[in-house]
Amino acid sequence: AQSVTQPDIHITVSEGASLELRCNYSYGATPYLFWYVQSPGQGLQLLLKYFSGDTLVQGIKGFEAEFKRSQSSFNLRKPSVHWSDAAEYFCAVSSNSGYALNFGKGTSLLVTP
Amino acid sequence: DAGVIQSPRHEVTEMGQEVTLRCKPISGHDYLFWYRQTMMRGLELLIYFNNNVPIDDSGMPEDRFSAKMPNASFSTLKIQPSEPRDSAVYFCASRQGLAGTDTQYFGPGTRLTVL
Repeated sequence: AQSVTQPDIHITVSEGASLELRCNYSYGATPYLFWYVQSPGQGLQLLLKYFSGDTLVQGIKGFEAEFKRSQSSFNLRKPSVHWSDAAEYFCAVSSNSGYALNFGKGTSLLVTP
Repeated sequence: DAGVIQSPRHEVTEMGQEVTLRCKPISGHDYLFWYRQTMMRGLELLIYFNNNVPIDDSGMPEDRFSAKMPNASFSTLKIQPSEPRDSAVYFCASRQGLAGTDTQYFGPGTRLTVL
């Protein structure tokens, strides 16, 4: 069965610092991987997705993620964090039949001045 | 496009009452999903529809939960009777297409509190 693990429940970074949020997946075949962001009181917004090709994926708001098959990871990165990036981040996996997303528990990002 | 629309945004009710959550998907999307988000269990898929037909309801927690999609632009999730453990944020999402690469678009959610 598919599963997604986000090892960090909370992360605090200073504004302007770099960010990496970890995501590990368990899936037999090539997964389709997604990162969503949820701002307080809002729904989930897609940041980026990976399904094939270049393992480094660019997304919105300056985010990128790298798919590493050998490590079963799909970590999200941003070189310089802004205060507006404070939110909950969810990694998700879907099979190639793709009818639903299996989400991780999320990582809450706090940005300090 | 207005995106996925959910109503109400907040619902407070007493145990035993019926609760109905509503969702309007993005026009032209043929898949609709209901998710529930809790601190303990995170985001869980409850049920999804394709072309208004329920395809997989294995995530519906028990018979107190029911969902319908009478037409392509409207879906409801009903809880009867409601219980305090049903308190959660309920999200509706829609998507066009079946491919795993297709994006699901989420509504803002309904925060349900059952007292």
